[in-house]
Amino acid sequence: GAGVSQSPRYKVAKRGQDVALRCDPISGHVSLFWYQQALGQGPEFLTYFQNEAQLDKSGLPSDRFFAERPEGSVSTLKIQRTQQEDSAVYLCASSARQGAGTEAFFGQGTRLTVV
Amino acid sequence: AQSVAQPEDQVNVAEGNPLTVKCTYSVSGNPYLFWYVQYPNRGLQFLLKYITGDNLVKGSYGFEAEFNKSQTSFHLKKPSALVSDSALYFCAVRLSGGYNKLIFGAGTRLAVHP
Repeated sequence: GAGVSQSPRYKVAKRGQDVALRCDPISGHVSLFWYQQALGQGPEFLTYFQNEAQLDKSGLPSDRFFAERPEGSVSTLKIQRTQQEDSAVYLCASSARQGAGTEAFFGQGTRLTVV
Repeated sequence: AQSVAQPEDQVNVAEGNPLTVKCTYSVSGNPYLFWYVQYPNRGLQFLLKYITGDNLVKGSYGFEAEFNKSQTSFHLKKPSALVSDSALYFCAVRLSGGYNKLIFGAGTRLAVHP
């Protein structure tokens, strides 16, 4: 499809388990973002890639969170030793250019539930 | 620090009536402002943006928003609401310069009643 694709759509993890969330951005989009959306809240920024370079990871809540985009296209967000407070929807977004006026296109998200 | 406020958790409107969803922002530079809509079990969809120029911005599905620099507001409006407009609406701000991350408000749930 032409949009941002995320997989899996839903993930249930036992506390302490590692998870990996995948994002396929729109083809050719330079910028890629990860956001975390807790229930009833607005999305909160996690990290930003320009091509394969991770330029901003200031929003990652702990060193258990790790993101990569090795070839400048697909990105993976990994969470190690998941905890209940990690339960949220994880949204990926991409945009065609780096530029503050460029709108970002969002995927449907991955709903992570840690039990 | 930059922030976005959406003072209403929920807005209720009768179908056919005009609607307004409020947003105010706090930034130190020139803001780039966005509205997104989120339907159940779907991702955020871009509605419209303000970058510069005309303070009244027109977007998708008949929505528009008015940028007011003196009041630091960017309210979303539509002249005639539809039941299908019922969804969660998010206002967001992005600074010029920097790494382009969006700062979102907490969201406003719009309920349009027949």
